[in-house]
Amino acid sequence: AQTVTQSQPEMSVQEAETVTLSCTYDTSESNYYLFWYKQPPSRQMILVIRQEAYKQQNATENRFSVNFQKAAKSFSLKISDSQLGDTAMYFCAFMIGGNNRKLIWGLGTSLAVNP
Amino acid sequence: NAGVTQTPKFQVLKTGQSMTLQCAQDMNHNSMYWYRQDPGMGLRLIYYSASEGTTDKGEVPNGYNVSRLNKREFSLRLESAAPSQTSVYFCASKPPGVRSTDTQYFGPGTRLTVL
Repeated sequence: AQTVTQSQPEMSVQEAETVTLSCTYDTSESNYYLFWYKQPPSRQMILVIRQEAYKQQNATENRFSVNFQKAAKSFSLKISDSQLGDTAMYFCAFMIGGNNRKLIWGLGTSLAVNP
Repeated sequence: NAGVTQTPKFQVLKTGQSMTLQCAQDMNHNSMYWYRQDPGMGLRLIYYSASEGTTDKGEVPNGYNVSRLNKREFSLRLESAAPSQTSVYFCASKPPGVRSTDTQYFGPGTRLTVL
């Protein structure tokens, strides 16, 4: 069975500092895609960053970057220069390639950015 | 381009009542999804539709029905609402193709309370 584990239910960070959210997953597939989604208090689900498993280079989107360790099945999210607007739930998810492309979700990490 | 829209935003039902949650996307996406989000349970897939005219059960389909009315619209129906269906419901869509387009886009959610 494919699973996603986010071991940190809650985290906090001071504004302008860096924080890393962890995510591990379990699959026997070789073709898959990994995602981090952000859900602020408004409840909207927003894509933060995406990584294709076949790419060795870690994805980066402005202040957000990932550390993708395929052999360890680890996909952590680093947020640099944290801002108050980064306060949200963060969900890690992955999708197996192929016809039946459903997302498999972690339970989320609640991140609070403190002033 | 409104993306994914959902109506209503909030709804309160009595046990046994029925209602339909509406979802529409204007991005010409093939795949559409219905999720529910509960505290401590993360996001769980209720139903999905890989293309117009097809629907498939997800992880928690019991008590729900769906209709893929056309390419744009994917509705979720509760025939006889139960308190266990109190949740936040998200609709999502995904463009066709592979690799970098494998991203789901989410609507703003519907908060449903069943008394």
